[in-house]
Amino acid sequence: AQSVTQPDIHITVSEGASLELRCNYSYGATPYLFWYVQSPGQGLQLLLKYFSGDTLVQGIKGFEAEFKRSQSSFNLRKPSVHWSDAAEYFCAVDLNNNDMRFGAGTRLTVKP
Amino acid sequence: EAGVTQFPSHSVIEKGQTVTLRCDPISGHDNLYWYRRVMGKEIKFLLHFVKESKQDESGMPNNRFLAERTGGTYSTLKVQPAELEDSGVYFCASRPAGDYGYTFGSGTRLTVV
Repeated sequence: AQSVTQPDIHITVSEGASLELRCNYSYGATPYLFWYVQSPGQGLQLLLKYFSGDTLVQGIKGFEAEFKRSQSSFNLRKPSVHWSDAAEYFCAVDLNNNDMRFGAGTRLTVKP
Repeated sequence: EAGVTQFPSHSVIEKGQTVTLRCDPISGHDNLYWYRRVMGKEIKFLLHFVKESKQDESGMPNNRFLAERTGGTYSTLKVQPAELEDSGVYFCASRPAGDYGYTFGSGTRLTVV
């Protein structure tokens, strides 16, 4: 079945530590790929997106993600996490410019 | 530029009542989407408008849900009658034609008791 998988429901990291959030998709073709963040009481904010070209994409707030076709993955990374990064992160795909499919989300807790 | 506005931000209603959620997209965005997140699960697609027409409503859970976008501007999503399982956060997003730049609203948290 076509799906977007975020295997980690909850991750806790210390402030200043590196972060990697995993995302895998299972679709026949390479979809357009997105990462969104939702802070408490806020809407979904786009961090970055991949359509084609360079497989390492840079986003806002110091985030980056790497598309790996062979692994059907689009993992999100940040070299040094800040307390303000605590939020819920969603990986999403868009197959045909019609609707977006989301993963279940990963909640990030940042320890001082 | 104003973003996507949703209201109310929170709504608590009793089972069997009716609730109407509203979404004001970014001006000029032809595409408007409704999504729902129930019980901490994934965010699921409900439907997609292109201007005032329903492009895809395959995600609507049942006929208790009715979405409209009269005049191709704001949209409403009515739940009638509401059931306990309808509780969740309802997101609206808009996107201009030919662009993958979805902009999401802050969502409406619906609680059915």
